[in-house]
Amino acid sequence: KAGVTQTPRYLIKTRGQQVTLSCSPISGHRSVSWYQQTPGQGLQFLFEYFSETQRNKGNFPGRFSGRQFSNSRSEMNVSTLELGDSALYLCASSLQGNYNSPLHFGNGTRLTVT
Amino acid sequence: AQKITQTQPGMFVQEKEAVTLDCTYDTSDPSYGLFWYKQPSSGEMIFLIYQGSYDQQNATEGRYSLNFQKARKSANLVISASQLGDSAMYFCATSRGTGNQFYFGTGTSLTVIP
Repeated sequence: KAGVTQTPRYLIKTRGQQVTLSCSPISGHRSVSWYQQTPGQGLQFLFEYFSETQRNKGNFPGRFSGRQFSNSRSEMNVSTLELGDSALYLCASSLQGNYNSPLHFGNGTRLTVT
Repeated sequence: AQKITQTQPGMFVQEKEAVTLDCTYDTSDPSYGLFWYKQPSSGEMIFLIYQGSYDQQNATEGRYSLNFQKARKSANLVISASQLGDSAMYFCATSRGTGNQFYFGTGTSLTVIP
C-alpha cells in the first residue's frame, strides 16, 4: 500500500507570495492532518480534516488554510508568506481519525521563504 | 491543551545496549493515546508504537516497548539491542479524546555509538 505522498518536496518562495502544498493520504484513510515543524517551535498542529470537514484547527493566523477533497486528498495554502513561515510542513493521515489511531506521515514539504 | 515533556535533549548508547527515552505528559482527558515517532535526518516521521490510556499491559513492537505508568503520567520508550540505524530524533506524542489532534514533545536526539 502506498504511503502518504506530499508534493512538492522543496519550495522556495519570496515574502508576500502564496503557496499551495498537496497531500495524498494512504488509501482508505479519511483523516488528514497538517503540522508545521521548525527548530524553534517544534511540531505544531495546523488543522485536521475528516470527510472534507475541518474538525480541529491549531493556533495559526488565517493566512494558513486548507481543504480536503472527496477523495481524501488535501491541500494547504499559505498566503502572504512571511520569513517565519519557513519550515518543514508535514501531512499525516490516519485510518479512523480518533485518539487511538496513529498518524502516518509523508516525507514533508520543506518551504523556504526569502 | 495537553503538554508533553521530554527532558533528554540528547542521548548516547552503545550498539547492542538498551536505552530508555523519557516522556511525561499532562492531560485532563480520560481517553487518550500515547505514541512514539522516529525522525531520521532525512525528515520523515516514522510511527513506532502506540499505547491507549485504558490499556493495562505495556505495548511492545519488536525491539520497542513502551513503559506506561498512568499514575505518574509517564510513557517511556525502551529500545533494546540498539542498532546504528536507530540514530535519530525521537518524539513522544499524545492525542486527545476527541478528533485526531496530536501534541508532540520537543524530542530526544539518540546517537548509537559503534
